[in-house]
Amino acid sequence: DAGVIQSPRHEVTEMGQEVTLRCKPISGHDYLFWYRQTMMRGLELLIYFNNNVPIDDSGMPEDRFSAKMPNASFSTLKIQPSEPRDSAVYFCASSFMALITGNTIYFGEGSWLTVV
Amino acid sequence: AQKITQTQPGMFVQEKEAVTLDCTYDTSDPSYGLFWYKQPSSGEMIFLIYQGSYDQQNATEGRYSLNFQKARKSANLVISASQLGDSAMYFCAMRAGSTGANNLFFGTGTRLTVIP
Repeated sequence: DAGVIQSPRHEVTEMGQEVTLRCKPISGHDYLFWYRQTMMRGLELLIYFNNNVPIDDSGMPEDRFSAKMPNASFSTLKIQPSEPRDSAVYFCASSFMALITGNTIYFGEGSWLTVV
Repeated sequence: AQKITQTQPGMFVQEKEAVTLDCTYDTSDPSYGLFWYKQPSSGEMIFLIYQGSYDQQNATEGRYSLNFQKARKSANLVISASQLGDSAMYFCAMRAGSTGANNLFFGTGTRLTVIP
């Protein structure tokens, strides 16, 4: 079975440019998460969706960040305009049913973003 | 508030020996779940093991076991018969209870190095 698929795997962009990260969750999973990993802050949740609806976006750092999930098999995380401090690894993850049942979150391989 | 603490930034273990990675947590919610993930140098996050707060027995998955001490609020990961491929970052994570039950809070991680 295919896991969570993210693209691009690596992106280098100039400050001020728009960045779009893409994610395809595991088929049948109804929860989708976007996490960011940095040396300073570790792993932090940015936003998560349930059945394509954003449930909690309190982790989104500022208005430059936006996320969408137009259907059950696709999500995007957009940064516009990008800044050097956005450099991080961005993980997409998905889960079947809520974590409260003990179901774990499965992560993609991450998108490594560098903003210069 | 939920908090996960991993006090060992780095650990070394001889190949074929067992190693324990420490994790303590803090939550006021009686219902919670504890997870361990492995992150090799390639960057992906790999789920290892899960322990629910109401589980009576310690979780085991192959060479991985979770030493769950509820009164001490600790959930240490034990890896038996270490292999060179076990060298990686290891993250302990907790799922909150009734509030924010779909988020995972991560510790800062422990880098394990297996010595031949």
